[in-house]
Amino acid sequence: DIQMTQSPSSLSASVGDRVTMTCRASQSISSYLNWYQQRPGKAPNLLIYAASSLQSGVPSRFSGGGSGTDFTLTISSLQPEDFATYYCHQSYGTPYTFGQGTKLEIK
Amino acid sequence: EVQLVESGGGLVQPGGSLRLSCAASGFTFSRYWINWVRQAPGKGLVWVSHINSDGSSTTYADSVRGRFTISRDNAKNTLYLQMNSLRAEDTAVYYCARGGYDSGSYYYDYWGQGTLVTVSS
Repeated sequence: DIQMTQSPSSLSASVGDRVTMTCRASQSISSYLNWYQQRPGKAPNLLIYAASSLQSGVPSRFSGGGSGTDFTLTISSLQPEDFATYYCHQSYGTPYTFGQGTKLEIK
Repeated sequence: EVQLVESGGGLVQPGGSLRLSCAASGFTFSRYWINWVRQAPGKGLVWVSHINSDGSSTTYADSVRGRFTISRDNAKNTLYLQMNSLRAEDTAVYYCARGGYDSGSYYYDYWGQGTLVTVSS
């Protein structure tokens, strides 16, 4: 199975900050990498697919990058509703595995 | 509006069975792959199973293969997950999620609200 490792596991930031979190795959997955946001008690929500494509309806402050084994999710200016847990997800090979998550907390 | 609504969760004893349902609306159900993804309390997301659009092909995670069966009824716009020989480690919120495909990447673009399965004596 392809292992997905996210860093950091948790991150403290303030409203208006720019934050970047990373996801590393245990082997090359080309650009088959997606990002989801999950707020407490809610279902996940797709933010980014194919490493850098913004899902319809997602604010443009979210952006994704990378290819191969190293990927990033950047939020350009944090809003109060962005404090949540973020998961990366590879769809290069089955089983399609998730990272363990990065929890974004208010400083 | 795309909607996925899970039901059928609850408390079951180890070794027992449960059938989850996922009712879909707002899109042409028969054109999409559908997935089950679970999340143990306080833990991350884990893919469980998926089924192709006409139900002819299914895939399972190693942890549930041989115990769980995914199926669908396209006439009823409903997905199912039959869970047998349940274990404590199957305790989780189970989500159904629609599969999408673009730019070569497969992703889950719509999710239900989830249904909680608790396996305990």
